[in-house]
Amino acid sequence: DIQMTQSPSTLSASVGDRVTITCRASQSISSWLAWYQQKPGKAPKLLIYKASSLETGVPSRFSGSGSGTEFTLTISSLQPDDFATYYCQQYNSYSWTFGQGTKVEIK
Amino acid sequence: EVQLLESGGGLVEPGGSLKLSCAASGFTFSSYAMSWVRQAPGKGLEWVSAIGGSGGSTYYADSVKGRFTISRDNSKNRLYLQMNSLRAEDTAIYYCAKGDRVVAAYNWFDSWGQGALVTVSS
Repeated sequence: DIQMTQSPSTLSASVGDRVTITCRASQSISSWLAWYQQKPGKAPKLLIYKASSLETGVPSRFSGSGSGTEFTLTISSLQPDDFATYYCQQYNSYSWTFGQGTKVEIK
Repeated sequence: EVQLLESGGGLVEPGGSLKLSCAASGFTFSSYAMSWVRQAPGKGLEWVSAIGGSGGSTYYADSVKGRFTISRDNSKNRLYLQMNSLRAEDTAIYYCAKGDRVVAAYNWFDSWGQGALVTVSS
């Protein structure tokens, strides 16, 4: 199975900060990567698919990049609504795998 | 607007069975693969099972293979997860999630339900 490793596990940041989260795959997954945002008590929400495509309705401050085994999610200017946990997910095979999550906290 | 509404969660003893249901609306149900994803209390997301739009292709995580069965009724716009031989480690919120295409391969999940809590305990 393909393993996904996110870093950091927790990130403390202030409103207006540029934030970057990294996701590494144990083997190449081309661009078959998605990013989700989850707030406490809520279902995950799709932000990015195909590594860099922005889901309809998601603010443009979110962006994704990477291919192969290294991927990043960037929030260009952190907003109060962005404090949440973020997950990457690979869908390269018939066994979908999520990263362990990155919690973005208020500094 | 896509809506997914899970039901059927609850408390069950170890070794017991439970069947989850997910009612879908707002899209052509048979045209999209569907999945179940779970989240243990305070933990991350774990994909459980997927099914293609026609229902002919099914996939399972190793952790549930042989115990869980995914199915769908396209005439009723419903997705199901039959869970047998339940264990304490199956305790989680179970989400149904919509794929972006009819085949399960290379799907990301563009819509999620609110989740159903399954607790396995004596």
